[in-house]
Amino acid sequence: AQTVTQSQPEMSVQEAETVTLSCTYDTSENNYYLFWYKQPPSRQMILVIRQEAYKQQNATENRFSVNFQKAAKSFSLKISDSQLGDTAMYFCALMNYGGATNKLIFGTGTLLAVQP
Amino acid sequence: NAGVTQTPKFQVLKTGQSMTLQCAQDMNHNSMYWYRQDPGMGLRLIYYSASEGTTDKGEVPNGYNVSRLNKREFSLRLESAAPSQTSVYFCASSERREANEQFFGPGTRLTVL
Repeated sequence: AQTVTQSQPEMSVQEAETVTLSCTYDTSENNYYLFWYKQPPSRQMILVIRQEAYKQQNATENRFSVNFQKAAKSFSLKISDSQLGDTAMYFCALMNYGGATNKLIFGTGTLLAVQP
Repeated sequence: NAGVTQTPKFQVLKTGQSMTLQCAQDMNHNSMYWYRQDPGMGLRLIYYSASEGTTDKGEVPNGYNVSRLNKREFSLRLESAAPSQTSVYFCASSERREANEQFFGPGTRLTVL
């Protein structure tokens, strides 16, 4: 069974500081992708960053970067220079690919509050 | 491009009533999905459609039916709504290649009294 675990229900950070959100996962597949999605109060799901499991290099998108530890099955998200607009629920998600379609398995989410 | 659209945005039903949630995408994607989001449980897959003409059950299909009307549209039907189906429902679509990002609609907040 594939599972995604986010052990931090809520986190808080001061504006301009750095915060790291944790995610661990379990899969028996070799080919998979990992994602972080952001859900602001508007409810819209927005892709933040993705990581291909076969790539050793950690993905980076502007202020967002990941620490992908494949052996430990860990996939944390680091947000640098936090901004008020980063306040949102963040979901970690796992996708095994190669079948008829590629289904996402989501974690339970971390609610991040950026304080002014 | 509107992306993925969902109607309605909000709905209140009484127990036993039926309704259909509509979803459409204009990105020419093959695959479409329905999720429900409940507090503390993340998003869970209800049904998906790998391509036009096919549908399959996800993690929580009980109490729901789906129709892939054409490549653009994928509807979710509640035949006899129950309070346990109170949730936020998201439709998503994607291409069928690797690393394919799923694009989400704005969601429908459904309350069953």
